[in-house]
Amino acid sequence: EIVLTQSPDFQSVTPKEKVTITCRASQSIGSSLHWYQQKPDQSPKLLIKYASQSISGVPSRFSGSGSGTDFTLTINSLEAEDAAAYYCHQSSSLPWTFGQGTKVEIK
Amino acid sequence: EVQLVESGGGLVQPGGSLRLSCAASGFTFSSYEMNWVRQAPGKGLEWVSYISSSGSTIYYADSVKGRFTISRDNAKNSLYLQMNSLRAEDTAVYYCATLEWELRSFDYWGQGTLVTVSS
Repeated sequence: EIVLTQSPDFQSVTPKEKVTITCRASQSIGSSLHWYQQKPDQSPKLLIKYASQSISGVPSRFSGSGSGTDFTLTINSLEAEDAAAYYCHQSSSLPWTFGQGTKVEIK
Repeated sequence: EVQLVESGGGLVQPGGSLRLSCAASGFTFSSYEMNWVRQAPGKGLEWVSYISSSGSTIYYADSVKGRFTISRDNAKNSLYLQMNSLRAEDTAVYYCATLEWELRSFDYWGQGTLVTVSS
């Protein structure tokens, strides 16, 4: 099973600040890495697919990069509505797995 | 607009059974691979099960293999999860989600249904 480790677990950030969340895979997964945002009491929402592909309707301040084992989700100029948990997910091999999540709080 | 609506959750005793449903609309359900993903209270996401568009291919997480059965009825635009021999650790919100055919991301999610296993 491929283990995904996110860092940090928690981040408290002021609005307009840049946020960087990393996701490290226990073995190479190519670009088969996706990012989701989950706001309190809501279901997850796809943010970035295949490491760096943007999703229609997702604000352009969200971007992704990386390949192999190391991946990054970047939120440029954080807004209050971005307070949420963020999860990475690998679809390279079964069982599909998720990172433990990173909670972003707005200061 | 894609809509996925789960139902069937509730309180069940350990060892009991429950059947979850996911009603799909706004897209051609029969063309989509589907999944169940769960989230224990205050915890992260865990993939549970996958079914191909025709229903011919099925996968399970080891944690539910032999106890859960995924199925679908394309004529009714519905996905199901039959859960037997339930344990306390199965307590979670269960989401149904579509799987993008090429890049394998979970593109659309339902609102979830809560399953609580407790005596």
